[in-house]
Amino acid sequence: NAGVTQTPKFRILKIGQSMTLQCTQDMNHNYMYWYRQDPGMGLKLIYYSVGAGITDKGEVPNGYNVSRSTTEDFPLRLELAAPSQTSVYFCASSSPGQGATNEKLFFGSGTQLSVL
Amino acid sequence: KQEVTQIPAALSVPEGENLVLNCSFTDSAIYNLQWFRQDPGKGLTSLLLIQSSQREQTSGRLNASLDKSSGRSTLYIAASQPGDSATYLCAVMDSNYQLIWGAGTKLIIKP
Repeated sequence: NAGVTQTPKFRILKIGQSMTLQCTQDMNHNYMYWYRQDPGMGLKLIYYSVGAGITDKGEVPNGYNVSRSTTEDFPLRLELAAPSQTSVYFCASSSPGQGATNEKLFFGSGTQLSVL
Repeated sequence: KQEVTQIPAALSVPEGENLVLNCSFTDSAIYNLQWFRQDPGKGLTSLLLIQSSQREQTSGRLNASLDKSSGRSTLYIAASQPGDSATYLCAVMDSNYQLIWGAGTKLIIKP
């Protein structure tokens, strides 16, 4: 029962560096999400996807990019890391999708990212 | 704009006590309210989901209530145990099907 798997668990970046946070799920969920969680704050939606080939911006998309080439994978790309992107990042998936009001979200264990 | 607030930010109680966690939201136009548990170094786990037409949901020692008109939800934990120590978050699904999250209540159960 792997569920939602995120890698890496921890990462330190220098300002201006790039990296990709990996997320994969084995539950055949159509919908996938990327959230960030800052200390003392609620989760903020960065991007989401309703299926392979379809992505859309969430509340805080600036500085990030995503792709969804397969149902299983939903990587998050940081192109020019900035200190404001220091946060904990969570990937999540659900089925049948955000339009249904009885869905449950399944979360990965998170990636703690520091940009120095 | 929907805002979700959880007070207190932290709570410490002795083992065995019953306790209530609070969640309030500013806009009653929601589809559902969900409670999650977050353990350090782990992801979030869904505990209970209450549809907007429902008043409460129960799972084991957990009971969540929803009062849309007053913009409030409570999570009741009966006979608390040290294993209940975690951060509890609530989230509401707004009229745009977006989840709006509270900042959470960090719960510590003292043995």
